[in-house]
Amino acid sequence: ETGVTQTPRHLVMGMTNKKSLKCEQHLGHNAMYWYKQSAKKPLELMFVYSLEERVENNSVPSRFSPECPNSSHLFLHLHTLQPEDSALYLCASSQEATNEKLFFGSGTQLSVL
Amino acid sequence: SQQGEEDPQALSIQEGENATMNCSYKTSINNLQWYRQNSGRGLVHLILIRSNEREKHSGRLRVTLDTSKKSSSLLITASRAADTASYFCATDQAGTALIFGKGTTLSVSS
Repeated sequence: ETGVTQTPRHLVMGMTNKKSLKCEQHLGHNAMYWYKQSAKKPLELMFVYSLEERVENNSVPSRFSPECPNSSHLFLHLHTLQPEDSALYLCASSQEATNEKLFFGSGTQLSVL
Repeated sequence: SQQGEEDPQALSIQEGENATMNCSYKTSINNLQWYRQNSGRGLVHLILIRSNEREKHSGRLRVTLDTSKKSSSLLITASRAADTASYFCATDQAGTALIFGKGTTLSVSS
């Protein structure tokens, strides 16, 4: 266990559905991240939060909406997704938003039909 | 744009052999990190080497960094079947996100 828990582990949704991914870290870290991992492509940073404030938004489509209610929890709200959004979505945390030593959750494998 | 590029893309070895993976990058960095990912799971941080360091060890792992060549290597000695995974290098440039490469898939057979 890395101390970062993601739910659900698998999610299948239609293009008109609305769903949310949840991430919780038990490490006392101040920074949390969402990454997208597609087949044959490098990990793509989506969002970074430091002390609940968004500090990075990597030109992500508005159909992905992050929420960080406190430093331990991070959500990714999904709506009107496209099939190309099917991927493994990984949450990570680190002590500070310094890009050093990220702790990753096991990810949510998302399939958009 | 992609910063780290691992080589080879895939590597198959026998248990007990050493595995070497390389990473090349394009611009100046603060540090370079290596991560391991087992199939369908999250990434696990293995080791971080800063730009002013040339070599670091952690257990059976040895990482080197050559900033003049903009390259790094990860050596796993006496490999085990449990080392089967994908290995990623990630580079940290000041003020930007951690940039990951596409990874090297290592297969260790017993």
